[in-house]
Amino acid sequence: DVVMTQSPLSLPVTLGQSASISCRSSQSLEHSDGNTYLNWFQQRPGQSPRRLIYKVSNRDSGVPDRFSGSGSGTDFTLKISRVEAEDVGVYYCMQGTHWPLTFGGGTKVEIK
Amino acid sequence: EVQLVESGGDLVQPGRSLRLSCTASGFTLGDFAMHWVRQAPGKGLEWVSGITWNSGTIGYVDSVKGRFTISRDNAKNSLYLQMNSLRVEDTALYYCVKITGTTGIWGQGTLVTVSS
Repeated sequence: DVVMTQSPLSLPVTLGQSASISCRSSQSLEHSDGNTYLNWFQQRPGQSPRRLIYKVSNRDSGVPDRFSGSGSGTDFTLKISRVEAEDVGVYYCMQGTHWPLTFGGGTKVEIK
Repeated sequence: EVQLVESGGDLVQPGRSLRLSCTASGFTLGDFAMHWVRQAPGKGLEWVSGITWNSGTIGYVDSVKGRFTISRDNAKNSLYLQMNSLRVEDTALYYCVKITGTTGIWGQGTLVTVSS
């Protein structure tokens, strides 16, 4: 199974500053169809998760452009520019290339 | 409105069975692979099972293989998870999830508690 490793575990950020979360996979996430199925999810306190980013860098509808995804192969990054109070929560990466699908352990974003 | 609604969660004793259901609205569930993801209390997300649009490919996390069965009825826009031989460690909030496509969708979850 593909192991997804996120860092850091916890990320205190100042409002208005940027934050970056790293996600590494134990094997390449490039699918034979040419796509890389790496997703990012946000889970706010007390809510269901929601998808922010799919296929590395594509934002879901309604997701602010402050959120951006990048990377390739085994190394991926979620960047939050100009962090706002509503961004507090836990962020997960998840690979959809290889079954079983696997999630990273999560990164808790909090305001300093 | 595009949404997924789960049902069927309950408090059950170890060894018993439950069947979870998920009904889609606002989109055609039959066009997409669908998944069950669970979250134990205070823990992270764990993919449990998935099924492609035509049921041609089905997968499970190792811990539920042989005990859980995923299925779908595209005519009813519904997804199911039959859970047998439940264990205490299966206690979690179970989400029905559409992961692929340009719109990701999560349900509100249905709580399964396994306890004697």
